[in-house]
Amino acid sequence: DTGVSQNPRHKITKRGQNVTFRCDPISEHNRLYWYRQTLGQGPEFLTYFQNEAQLEKSRLLSDRFSAERPKGSFSTLEIQRTEQGDSAMYLCASSLLFRVAGDIEQFFGPGTRLTVL
Amino acid sequence: AQKVTQAQTEISVVEKEDVTLDCVYETRDTTYYLFWYKQPPSGELVFLIRRNSFDEQNEISGRYSWNFQKSTSSFNFTITASQVVDSAVYFCALSEASNTGNQFYFGTGTSLTVIP
Repeated sequence: DTGVSQNPRHKITKRGQNVTFRCDPISEHNRLYWYRQTLGQGPEFLTYFQNEAQLEKSRLLSDRFSAERPKGSFSTLEIQRTEQGDSAMYLCASSLLFRVAGDIEQFFGPGTRLTVL
Repeated sequence: AQKVTQAQTEISVVEKEDVTLDCVYETRDTTYYLFWYKQPPSGELVFLIRRNSFDEQNEISGRYSWNFQKSTSSFNFTITASQVVDSAVYFCALSEASNTGNQFYFGTGTSLTVIP
């Protein structure tokens, strides 16, 4: 396992369409995070899972967004009825909860760049 | 309020010059964690360092060094003898122990260009 992978790397869609992204974390990591990054900004937290449970969602995550992590392995992020404002890089990260106290580095995937026309 | 501030939006240096990237953070937690990540043009965030709030020792790793000062809430990053491969966007991030999810708060990043 060489790291966090995300698919697709790029997605172009028309406004109003639904899109789904996939993230495969590092295999032994029990935490998985989704972030959104717009041009010129740092990543912003959207949601995270511990194993299969979604434990926190940001206010940025509107009702059109849904994330799942069945069986605590890969995760999907779906955006329904996309809007032009959804255009961004969607980043996935994973970490291993407290293997060692304070050992909480998150390892990021390459991201999925979404363009909504 | 912004928890992490990176006031330098863009920096350009000539190769072999030293450069310092500033990071100022804000938190009420007594236990927190600070990070630096590098984002090259390929887009993937690369972990560079983590510093725990209870460990104020500065750290050096090759050409990279970090200066953590709780008194000024700063965690600055210095690259010595910069190289073209150092060109990237660098992000400082904060994670608070009171947040059970350990979500990261990122700054807006500093874009470093090293000119050959």
